[in-house]
Formats: sequence, C-alpha cells, structure tokens
Amino acid sequence: ETGVTQSPTHLIKTRGQQVTLRCSSQSGHNTVSWYQQALGQGPQFIFQYYREEENGRGNFPPRFSGLQFPNYSSELNVNALELDDSALYLCASSIDEETQYFGPGTRLLVL
Amino acid sequence: AQRVTQPEKLLSVFKGAPVELKCNYSYSGSPELFWYVQYSRQRLQLLLRHISRESIKGFTADLNKGETSFHLKKPFAQEEDSAMYYCALSRSYSSASKIIFGSGTRLSIRP
Repeated sequence: ETGVTQSPTHLIKTRGQQVTLRCSSQSGHNTVSWYQQALGQGPQFIFQYYREEENGRGNFPPRFSGLQFPNYSSELNVNALELDDSALYLCASSIDEETQYFGPGTRLLVL
Repeated sequence: AQRVTQPEKLLSVFKGAPVELKCNYSYSGSPELFWYVQYSRQRLQLLLRHISRESIKGFTADLNKGETSFHLKKPFAQEEDSAMYYCALSRSYSSASKIIFGSGTRLSIRP
C-alpha cells in the first residue's frame, strides 16, 4: 500500500465547467506530480510541485493549474473544460528525487 | 524531441515462453530509463530502473545507448505477468522530475 489517494474516483462534467481533483500524498512526500492519461495512451506530464511551488510544467495550457498544501495534499484545477480533457488523471508523490508513487487516479468525463 | 516509443500495443505469448517488450527512446542527454507496470485493477507502479541493474520478478532491462533502446526481457513468462507495461524516461538521476511515458504494451500470457 503506497498511501497515495485521489478523490473523487469518477467525475462527469459538461463543457465549459471547472473541476478540482484532489490528491493526498504519503506523509513526508514533498513532491507531487500530475499526469493526464487519455484512453490507450501513456500518462502525460502536466506539472510538478515541490514544497508548494511549481517545479516544472508539461505542454498543457494555463487553464490547468495546481496547488500543493503543507499537509501533503494537492489539487489539480481545470477551467473551461473541453471534450478532450476526458481522461484518467494521476498524481504521483515522492521524497525529493526518489521513486514516484502513483495514486489510483480520477476518471473525468466531459460531455 | 524527447520521446519514448513502444512499437507493440499488444504482445501475446505462451506461459513458459521468453518475453521481450521493446522500447526505443529519443533524448538529448543522458536519460534515466524505467519500466512501469499496471496489473489489472491496480495502480501504476515502478517495475525497474536502469541504474539499479537489478532483476525484478525475473525481468531485466539493459540500456543500449547505441541503439537508444531499453527492452524488457524475461526468459520464462508466467501467467501473473499479464499486465500493461510502460517504458519511461526522465532526466538522469532525477526520478522526481518530469517522466515521459511510452504508449504502453499490453502483455497477455496464454496458459
């Protein structure tokens, strides 16, 4: 058991809406990364937070934003949802440069 | 451009037969290479990383810089090896950094 949890497990939204996905890292993990996994594809890096500061970003527009909190939880926010945002969203936590541990993911469907 | 290519979407072999999952990469620099695995109804987890040079569950992978490959091999497949396998790379010695995943290969072991 890695201890990384995500909520909710499933979510349905409509185009144009906003969504917040949550991740709870293992205690002591100061780094969290978020990934988007479309059907049939590998995970794609969205961004990473290290000690509550953004520490790298992939090729995603600004409407994808995040927060990391001192209690090892984090959020992924997506504004102005588009149909192509339908995917599995994964968070992964680690201590500094060590192995990333993945959560079970949140499956988002945009109608 | 940084890229990981897994040419096979599906690989089906008989129990006891050798397995080779192919992975090629494109990266300017010295990447760290990984194999991740996702068993049915489980979360994505690290299987092995090239700097460890270890065998996990009978799997090994050798980094071939000349051919830019990191193929995953196992001499005798077992039914419990059936899973989705992702090859991935990140900046050298920085597993907490951006990870680039391939699109994955589904391995199916036939009894």
